[in-house]
Amino acid sequence: GAVVSQHPSRVICKSGTSVKIECRSLDFQATTMFWYRQFPKQSLMLMATSNEGSKATYEQGVEKDKFLINHASLTLSTLTVTSAHPEDSSFYICSARLARRSGNTIYFGEGSWLTVV
Amino acid sequence: GENVEQHPSTLSVQEGDSAVIKCTYSDSASNYFPWYKQELGKGPQLIIDIRSNVGEKKDQRIAVTLNKTAKHFSLHITETQPEDSAVYFCAAVIQGGKLIFGQGTELSVKP
Repeated sequence: GAVVSQHPSRVICKSGTSVKIECRSLDFQATTMFWYRQFPKQSLMLMATSNEGSKATYEQGVEKDKFLINHASLTLSTLTVTSAHPEDSSFYICSARLARRSGNTIYFGEGSWLTVV
Repeated sequence: GENVEQHPSTLSVQEGDSAVIKCTYSDSASNYFPWYKQELGKGPQLIIDIRSNVGEKKDQRIAVTLNKTAKHFSLHITETQPEDSAVYFCAAVIQGGKLIFGQGTELSVKP
């Protein structure tokens, strides 16, 4: 299947600082990427839809000024957690949509563990 | 809003037995239903998917069935192996191309 890469896989940051997570589609172009958050033993919760060349669309309850999303190219979307707090500690996962003539398929990255201390 | 319900939340089977996980969805416009396997600490891995123009799809030991009328879809794993142990998520695409996930099923295959 198609490959989506996330970096870093793990990051620890201090409260009040910002941290950036990158999501890359390695072997295909993705006009749309999605960012999810997952708490232990829970399902994936969609945070926002990232569209190349335009503003991201955020789900209800997700603070767009806190979770900045940039999709500057067809292979890269970034999520920046600003002024991080311990409650932002979580597993963040991105996905990218591969468009084929037969239909779209969505592939996920390996996820990024964020710990805010 | 749109949602996906998944059952059971946990499933324990003996190696070699079959495992079945069921999901229902609410958005009748959904037309794409992927299944993901997630191992501890890793991102979800696509294992099989089905589109609304077919009722069944099979890939070796894994099969998925779809009943659009009832808005049900199921994952079937035959001849289970210990390495099949993981959390499995069903999902459905809703308006805007967004994926909505079920709650997950923790599958344990005992040797």
